[in-house]
Amino acid sequence: DQQVKQNSPSLSVQEGRISILNCDYTNSMFDYFLWYKKYPAEGPTFLISISSIKDKNEDGRFTVFLNKSAKHLSLHIVPSQPGDSAVYFCAASGTGSARQLTFGSGTQLTVLP
Amino acid sequence: DAGITQSPRYKITETGRQVTLMCHQTWSHSYMFWYRQDLGHGLRLIYYSAAADITDKGEVPDGYVVSRSKTENFPLTLESATRSQTSVYFCASSPTSGEDTQYFGPGTRLTVL
Repeated sequence: DQQVKQNSPSLSVQEGRISILNCDYTNSMFDYFLWYKKYPAEGPTFLISISSIKDKNEDGRFTVFLNKSAKHLSLHIVPSQPGDSAVYFCAASGTGSARQLTFGSGTQLTVLP
Repeated sequence: DAGITQSPRYKITETGRQVTLMCHQTWSHSYMFWYRQDLGHGLRLIYYSAAADITDKGEVPDGYVVSRSKTENFPLTLESATRSQTSVYFCASSPTSGEDTQYFGPGTRLTVL
């Protein structure tokens, strides 16, 4: 049973527009959430995170929103650029989890020029 | 070079052979992790280690063995490789304190014929 779900395997967006990537989780013990970006033939790189005590965290063009009651988080990229084309993984961890992360299956974002 | 490295980057082997994937980090992070990435599954945790000589199973440990005699190294061994172990393997590390952010190596693409 997947505890972290990314229901959209792929997303295409026009350059300059907003990209919204979604993630749902089922485990109420998760209290820290992360987004990773992955280019082909490279390892995932950390992008942005949010603690459960917040509902929004912003870093430049990237903003993560957390809705705890809905167990849902989203990553907004504004404006989208062709270099943002990559696979985006959502991940979550909980207190006492020995720093383990549970990952979603990923969403391939393609930003069209 | 500072960071986390994996070797080899590519490996082809035959069913039944023993294979060892190497992981080395220079940050002195306490925690280290091994994941496999398969289409539709995202990243699944194989084994992790909280410190030298302390290891524990993740979600998919069967067929794998790990050791951690030194903080900086965390090798993953497939004792008798099977075709189902064809995958991309990622090593990651995380510091003891602070948020549960993990930092990933570049990956090893393993093909078992």
